[in-house]
Amino acid sequence: SQTIHQWPATLVQPVGSPLSLECTVEGTSNPNLYWYRQAAGRGLQLLFYSVGIGQISSEVPQNLSASRPQDRQFILSSKKLLLSDSGFYLCAFGVRLFNYGYTFGSGTRLTVV
Amino acid sequence: DAKTTQPPSMDCAEGRAANLPCNHSTISGNEYVYWYRQIHSQGPQYIIHGLKNNETNEMASLIITEDRKSSTLILPHATLRDTAVYYCIVIGDSGYALNFGKGTSLLVTP
Repeated sequence: SQTIHQWPATLVQPVGSPLSLECTVEGTSNPNLYWYRQAAGRGLQLLFYSVGIGQISSEVPQNLSASRPQDRQFILSSKKLLLSDSGFYLCAFGVRLFNYGYTFGSGTRLTVV
Repeated sequence: DAKTTQPPSMDCAEGRAANLPCNHSTISGNEYVYWYRQIHSQGPQYIIHGLKNNETNEMASLIITEDRKSSTLILPHATLRDTAVYYCIVIGDSGYALNFGKGTSLLVTP
């Protein structure tokens, strides 16, 4: 079966510190991968998506970056966190052979202090 | 992406049908309507999707108007565990949605 793993579940980081959130997918090959962010009281906003290894598209300018070093691994990073980076980060994958849509990970609650 | 409009909140009594509306007046012919729900502090969960015809699965029914400009998600017998935020999104050839909006916060009461 297709599954997605995202960690850590919660994270508290000081302003100016680096960030690395990891997401891995199992049970499928060549998935589309996505990073979304949900700020408090707001909807989900697409940050990055990837259709293949090394292929990253950014939707929102910010101090975050994403990488896809392996087919089923998607990493969200920052060199220096800002207070405004706090939020709920969700990784998701989609399988192009089917009717699109997503399967989401369980999310990471990031608090920048 | 075609934008969607949903009421911010709705209440429903336990055991009754919950009907959640969504407007997507600018939807294109090849775009699907998807519904997800999110329980607090969890990732969104897929519910159902459709293109033109009404759809039903073990979780819900999706009614799409003939002009496809709006749809309704129906939870036939709402339970307390159905309390969540429900998102209606439109996905086309790109295969993804830029944002999910704020959705409808459904509260099921005893």
